Amino acid sequence: DAKTTQPNSMESNEEEPVHLPCNHSTISGTDYIHWYRQLPSQGPEYVIHGLTSNVNNRMASLAIAEDRKSSTLILHRATLRDAAVYYCILRAMEYGNKLVFGAGTILRVKS
Amino acid sequence: EAQVTQNPRYLITVTGKKLTVTCSQNMNHEYMSWYRQDPGLGLRQIYYSMNVEVTDKGDVPEGYKVSRKEKRNFPLILESPSPNQTSLYFCASSTLLAGVLNEQFFGPGTRLTVL
Repeated sequence: DAKTTQPNSMESNEEEPVHLPCNHSTISGTDYIHWYRQLPSQGPEYVIHGLTSNVNNRMASLAIAEDRKSSTLILHRATLRDAAVYYCILRAMEYGNKLVFGAGTILRVKS
Repeated sequence: EAQVTQNPRYLITVTGKKLTVTCSQNMNHEYMSWYRQDPGLGLRQIYYSMNVEVTDKGDVPEGYKVSRKEKRNFPLILESPSPNQTSLYFCASSTLLAGVLNEQFFGPGTRLTVL
């Protein structure tokens, strides 16, 4: 199964950019990279997803390495409301639509 | 309002007593999925369904059953619950565009305790 590796935790200052890394060295050519976050006491929330090219939306940007073995979720200006657990997920096409979650990164934002 | 609903939200039961957790979505999504979340283990996928009458195993399917007889509903069935199935359960749904999974919408969660 395609797996992801993320740092256990990261810390950021409010109003500063945050770069959350994810390694997925066994990714196959058809696997999509999804990011979700989970705020305390809530269900997961979609952030962004992509295949090969960098992606931007209102919440974040996703930078995907050329060899696709890693990716980075970029929050352009962290706020206290961004404090959450961030999950990097591979959507493994060769296994149907099974989703393999990483352990997640706990992001702490300091004011 | 577009949403995924789960019932019950909280459930305490005893070992071996069959139970069903319901999940319903009103967004006409093809894809539905169940996850469990345990401390230190993150989210793990139990089962998923790509459309009516199509279900498949996720990472931790043992001890669970699902069915997808209607597009909007995807119940999770525990035929004989055991204490190791004590967990927080989430249902999710999504569209599939040309087979590509899009944004998943998650339900509020069901906290299950098996004594």
